[in-house]
Amino acid sequence: ETGVTQTPRHLVMGMTNKKSLKCEQHLGHNAMYWYKQSAKKPLELMFVYNFKEQTENNSVPSRFSPECPNSSHLFLHLHTLQPEDSALYLCASSQGLAGVQAKNIQYFGAGTRLSVL
Amino acid sequence: GENVEQHPSTLSVQEGDSAVIKCTYSDSASNYFPWYKQELGKRPQLIIDIRSNVGEKKDQRIAVTLNKTAKHFSLHITETQPEDSAVYFCAGFYSGGGADGLTFGKGTHLIIQP
Repeated sequence: ETGVTQTPRHLVMGMTNKKSLKCEQHLGHNAMYWYKQSAKKPLELMFVYNFKEQTENNSVPSRFSPECPNSSHLFLHLHTLQPEDSALYLCASSQGLAGVQAKNIQYFGAGTRLSVL
Repeated sequence: GENVEQHPSTLSVQEGDSAVIKCTYSDSASNYFPWYKQELGKRPQLIIDIRSNVGEKKDQRIAVTLNKTAKHFSLHITETQPEDSAVYFCAGFYSGGGADGLTFGKGTHLIIQP
């Protein structure tokens, strides 16, 4: 375990459903990230939060809505998804923004495997 | 922004031989380059990283080299072992213009043949 927990591990939803993915980190980190992993784009950055503020929205469709209520929790709210959104969604966290300082290594959660029918 | 290209997509080597994975990046402002290893069904884990003020870094059987002029960096694994079989991702960190974050390559599936 890396200290980054994602729930649920698996999720199947219809295109009209609304669901949320949850990420929680117990590492005292200040930065959190959402990535999408699929066969087409193996590790694609979606959102970055630093001290609860969103610093990066990597041209993600509005049907994905992130929420970061505090530095330990990160949500990804899903609505009216498309079948091509089926993928593994990975959460990660780091002490500070990854790359800015040597200590800011990203630790990944185990991911949520999402299937959109 | 940053664009990271990774080659090859699949690499098969005999156990005990060396493996080299190469990445190029587009933005000369990028200053941090980590490598992640992802075993089947598991999460990516950092194995080594390098900063732009260093040309080479080594950790036991793993080494990374960086050529800032050519904007490419490589992962070298020596004396490969079966447990080295995994997908390896390189990444570049870009900071600027309000966009901060890691951009990953598409991954290399490393297969160690017994």
